[in-house]
Amino acid sequence: GENVEQHPSTLSVQEGDSAVIKCTYSDSASNYFPWYKQELGKRPQLIIDIRSNVGEKKDQRIAVTLNKTAKHFSLHITETQPEDSAVYFCAGLSGNTPLVFGKGTRLSVIA
Amino acid sequence: DGGITQSPKYLFRKEGQNVTLSCEQNLNHDAMYWYRQDPGQGLRLIYYSQIVNDFQKGDIAEGYSVSREKKESFPLTVTSAQKNPTAFYLCASSSSGRANVLTFGAGSRLTVL
Repeated sequence: GENVEQHPSTLSVQEGDSAVIKCTYSDSASNYFPWYKQELGKRPQLIIDIRSNVGEKKDQRIAVTLNKTAKHFSLHITETQPEDSAVYFCAGLSGNTPLVFGKGTRLSVIA
Repeated sequence: DGGITQSPKYLFRKEGQNVTLSCEQNLNHDAMYWYRQDPGQGLRLIYYSQIVNDFQKGDIAEGYSVSREKKESFPLTVTSAQKNPTAFYLCASSSSGRANVLTFGAGSRLTVL
């Protein structure tokens, strides 16, 4: 089955700087890669996703890139703000099986 | 207000006791899931159900049981056979049209005393 590795486990950046979180996956048949954000004490929420037929997707300050050959995808957050502080989870999907999540990255944006 | 409701939010249990966590959704979603969240471990799948009266084991099903008698409801029982049940439990659902997109409940925190 699919295995998703995520790093780093913790990340601290200064407000206004960029943050990058990387994930690798094992199943070359995986075709959908979402990112979820979980603020402290709250439920995870989908913030952006990408399918295997595109290489990059942007939504305001966040973007996701996908390299199918290398089997890795990344989340990019530009001009970070304190409200970006949260735990971020990547995930991969192969076939009809449920999403497989990475172990999460705790992002701290320092004002 | 549409969404997923989990209850209770906090639950304490003594060793050897079974406990059932409730998950109800009014989104008309076909699929429902239970994840366990531990610090540094991410979200690990316990059980999932894609249709009423059917469910499948996830990666860490041992010591847990579920039922799916109604489309709206997917309760999780943590049995005494679960060796380390203290954790945060998240229920989620997805529609058949957007099976990849999960909507999560607010979670239930179980502490074994």
